[in-house]
Amino acid sequence: SSELTQDPAVSVALGQTVRITCQGDNLRSYYASWYRQKPGQAPVLVLYGKNTRPSGIPDRFSGSSSGNTVSLTITGAQAEDEADYYCNCRDTTHNHWVFGGGTTLTVL
Amino acid sequence: QVQLQESGPGLVKPSQTLSLTCSVSGGSINRGAYYWTWIRQHPGKGLECIGSTYYSGSTYYNPSLKSRATISIDTSKSQFSLRLTSVTAADTAVYYCARGQEDLVATITYFDYWGQGTLVTVAS
Repeated sequence: SSELTQDPAVSVALGQTVRITCQGDNLRSYYASWYRQKPGQAPVLVLYGKNTRPSGIPDRFSGSSSGNTVSLTITGAQAEDEADYYCNCRDTTHNHWVFGGGTTLTVL
Repeated sequence: QVQLQESGPGLVKPSQTLSLTCSVSGGSINRGAYYWTWIRQHPGKGLECIGSTYYSGSTYYNPSLKSRATISIDTSKSQFSLRLTSVTAADTAVYYCARGQEDLVATITYFDYWGQGTLVTVAS
């Protein structure tokens, strides 16, 4: 399947660590990228490749992968991290790009 | 700083054609490592890739939209465009344009710049 599966919602206590996962067969062939989207705003790239953060993204964001599952980890979640998070990967079967369904992160 | 800006009608009638243009500034549209992409988001829903084009004109589409979508690029104007035919209410969404980068050897792809998005409503 070319789909990417994410848990719909995750919550974390302020300052604690949270992991957001993404599963899909294409993740065995291509690295995922991760995006943060706050209400009314365009998505923002937060992680790509093996574990690369764009300029301006804090180092509390990190990534890992195992088989067909990738994870975005936020170590010491802050209130401003509350947002929707999407994974994305190239679909090698149909030669286009696929997003996961998104995970809503709530910081308690 | 690369900037992308979507433009086009905010209201389209059912069965008509949706046409949007993305203007790229602050960087070159003529690089093989870039793929210029249209992405949409239905109200309250997730992100969906519609399709992508390279500066060469090669295009790739979401199979679910391939029969109705056409993406083209005008490098002289630093713009790329989306046409979506036979629209219905189900095509009501915020449409984003984005720049993708890829390193095929390292199997890395990502969207590093996005437009602000434009809401297109399909209604009579």
